[in-house]
Amino acid sequence: AQKITQTQPGMFVQEKEAVTLDCTYDTSDQSYGLFWYKQPSSGEMIFLIYQGSYDEQNATEGRYSLNFQKARKSANLVISASQLGDSAMYFCAMRELAQGGSEKLVFGKGTKLTVNP
Amino acid sequence: DTGVSQNPRHKITKRGQNVTFRCDPISEHNRLYWYRQTLGQGPEFLTYFQNEAQLEKSRLLSDRFSAERPKGSFSTLEIQRTEQGDSAMYLCASNQGLPYEQYFGPGTRLTVT
Repeated sequence: AQKITQTQPGMFVQEKEAVTLDCTYDTSDQSYGLFWYKQPSSGEMIFLIYQGSYDEQNATEGRYSLNFQKARKSANLVISASQLGDSAMYFCAMRELAQGGSEKLVFGKGTKLTVNP
Repeated sequence: DTGVSQNPRHKITKRGQNVTFRCDPISEHNRLYWYRQTLGQGPEFLTYFQNEAQLEKSRLLSDRFSAERPKGSFSTLEIQRTEQGDSAMYLCASNQGLPYEQYFGPGTRLTVT
């Protein structure tokens, strides 16, 4: 079974600075996908960024980038130029496939990011 | 594209009562997922539908839980004889395979008193 580990329960960053949220994963699959989601206090999970295991370039989406280090099995999220609205829970997740065509996301426990003015 | 919708947004029920939640996925999405999220945890997978076929059920889903997706459109999740441990946020997500990201609804927060 796949596993996602997020070791930072909480992180603080000053507005306009960059912050890195850590994520390590464990899988025996050769092909896999990694995701980051943001969950504001309202509760909805918002997709941020995706990295495929065979993608040679690190994924980027606006102010979000994924620092993918395959040998270390890490997929850290970097948020540049933090904004007050970035304050939220952030979850790292991995796509897991099962026999019979099923699939699911396996999530870490999350990191609570607080952006200070 | 109206996004994934879930109803109700909040449900308070007494222990032992039955509850039913509804999820309407994004219209062209053939894959639908249910997750449960308890306080301080990430979402945990409950079940997966491809069109109307339920392809996987988590061991978290006891026999008190049942999910359906008639005609491959909306889905319902029913919990019978609710227990206090069922209190959680129930999240629905959908996608169409590619791209792989799942799009989540706002969730239904269940409180069992």
